[in-house]
Amino acid sequence: SSELTQDPAVSVALGQTVRITCQGDTLRAYYASWYQQKPRQAPVLVFYDKNKRPSGIPDRFSGSSSGDTASLTITGAQAEDESDYYCSSRDISGGLLFGGGTKLTVL
Amino acid sequence: QITLKESGPTLVKPTQTLTLTCTFSGFSLTTTGVGVGWIRQPPGKALEWLAVIYWDDDIRYSPSLKRRVTITKDTSKNQVVLTMTNMDPVDTATYFCAHTSWAFGELLYWGQGTLVTVSS
Repeated sequence: SSELTQDPAVSVALGQTVRITCQGDTLRAYYASWYQQKPRQAPVLVFYDKNKRPSGIPDRFSGSSSGDTASLTITGAQAEDESDYYCSSRDISGGLLFGGGTKLTVL
Repeated sequence: QITLKESGPTLVKPTQTLTLTCTFSGFSLTTTGVGVGWIRQPPGKALEWLAVIYWDDDIRYSPSLKRRVTITKDTSKNQVVLTMTNMDPVDTATYFCAHTSWAFGELLYWGQGTLVTVSS
């Protein structure tokens, strides 16, 4: 079955750049969407498709894709970026898949 | 302004059927390309996609749950209903509904979520 794999935890020093990755076969055909989730809140879409950032999302969030791996890059991480991050992608049946999530710590 | 809100029981017993309603405003499910999906998140765990229904009645289900889940829409009421049969304690989770697009599959607008506990 299809699945998306994320590193469980990543850390970054304040102001530095961090890349969060998502790996899966479906990413060879579909772009990933990326969600930020803070405790006890609904997820927030931060990047999707090849190059789309929803209104209000800082431009320090960007996405990229190569082969079976999608990446979310935060350039100049801020304290408020400390969150869980989830990738998602369509699957071959036309539904969606989520990755297992990455907990980002800003040091 | 697009908003979505989930409603339904907070507690269900094992083997019962769960019915959740997503009531939305600011968009129409008759608009080409628009869909509403359901996602859940067990406490402390990852998001899990459940189902989506689109403006044209196209429906997709999670393969692992398709035998238990049904999604329907009532465009006149701006509602999408999710039913899940044979509930089990492992189905305890916060259930979210979200606006999506057929074009990209992104979930741009989310409801606040509703916690459903399965316990006898």
